[in-house]
Amino acid sequence: DADVTQTPRNRITKTGKRIMLECSQTKGHDRMYWYRQDPGLGLQLIYYSFDVKDINKGEISDGYSVSRQAQAKFSLSLESAIPNQTALYFCATSYQGEQFFGPGTRLTVL
Amino acid sequence: RKEVEQDPGPFNVPEGATVAFNCTYSNSASQSFFWYRQDCRKEPKLLMSVYSSGNEDGRFTAQLNRASQYISLLIRDSKLSDSATYLCVVNEGSGYSTLTFGKGTMLLVSP
Repeated sequence: DADVTQTPRNRITKTGKRIMLECSQTKGHDRMYWYRQDPGLGLQLIYYSFDVKDINKGEISDGYSVSRQAQAKFSLSLESAIPNQTALYFCATSYQGEQFFGPGTRLTVL
Repeated sequence: RKEVEQDPGPFNVPEGATVAFNCTYSNSASQSFFWYRQDCRKEPKLLMSVYSSGNEDGRFTAQLNRASQYISLLIRDSKLSDSATYLCVVNEGSGYSTLTFGKGTMLLVSP
């Protein structure tokens, strides 16, 4: 069974819609992250959380918000999706420097 | 902005070849370094950490040159299954806070 899971795995939505991407982990790690990956641009950090009460903006947080509902759950929201948010989104946990990624959510905003 | 630079490739090599990738980083205060492997449309996975003294794991050797601020990955006896994108990753500070990812180097190993 996967230690870091993401739902949905694929989503197509329209401009202006609100969408939530969910991430759950069974690894017991305190630190969780959300990244997006665009072709040719590599992974960019959106938000990260070092524990349930700690939320930090990454390098590209505009247009996104997050919620850390529990140690095991970290959700990413797009309040009003726009086409340039079309990307592959990864959730990750970390422990002693190593990051463990979920399988990714492929989001398309039309 | 802190930068981690990699040659995007692709590096096309035959099976059995030796191939090396380099990566440069801009922040001289960077504390720790990693190579991740990413298969097409899949999540990145840790390949190996990079230690100051260099380290080897089977066919893979990683080295760090702090003076020149670059990291290398050497793959010997390439296999078809080594075909992937290799991401150079740098931790900027202590405590494993956040990582900066390079854009990756694509390796294609052919029969």
